[in-house]
Amino acid sequence: GENVEQHPSTLSVQEGDSAVIKCTYSDSASNYFPWYKQELGKRPQLIIDIRSNVGEKKDQRIAVTLNKTAKHFSLHITETQPEDSAVYFCAAMGTYKYIFGTGTRLKVLA
Amino acid sequence: DTAVSQTPKYLVTQMGNDKSIKCEQNLGHDTMYWYKQDSKKFLKIMFSYNNKELIINETVPNRFSPKSPDKAHLNLHINSLELGDSAVYFCASSQSVSSYEQYFGPGTRLTVT
Repeated sequence: GENVEQHPSTLSVQEGDSAVIKCTYSDSASNYFPWYKQELGKRPQLIIDIRSNVGEKKDQRIAVTLNKTAKHFSLHITETQPEDSAVYFCAAMGTYKYIFGTGTRLKVLA
Repeated sequence: DTAVSQTPKYLVTQMGNDKSIKCEQNLGHDTMYWYKQDSKKFLKIMFSYNNKELIINETVPNRFSPKSPDKAHLNLHINSLELGDSAVYFCASSQSVSSYEQYFGPGTRLTVT
């Protein structure tokens, strides 16, 4: 069935360093890949997304890359700050629904 | 100006009870969703409605019954609550069934004792 694997499950980085989170999806028909940030006790919020006709998208310190052939996509956060600490979820859009990855808890150490 | 709202925010109840969670969106969207987030933070879709019609039912126990009185509202009723139902339930909406972006509500933390 449809599946999205996400790695790592936890990630600790020093403030100012970069963080990379990777996802792999199984449904070759998936054509939209959002990333959500969820702070403790809050709702998931969309931070960046990419569609299947694009290989890379950047928004200030965050970027997403997509390799459709390999069914991989990744989130890159540069110059990390303490407020980047949260759980990050990738997702792949299947037929009318998101399939979420299992989440990555990112800790940015000051 | 809350886009997607849910009530209540917290719900503590005993096993065997019946409870409802309400969701409303003021974005004019056609499609609404219910997600369950368990203690390990896994986010899994339960139901999706498009213009008041059920389009996704992800093998959820029939103790869970969604109801959409109009396209701005999607409520979740749960009968005979079990310990394993304890989770955070998120409502979300998107412009249409084929739209990409989903907007989440603040969540309802359900605790079954």
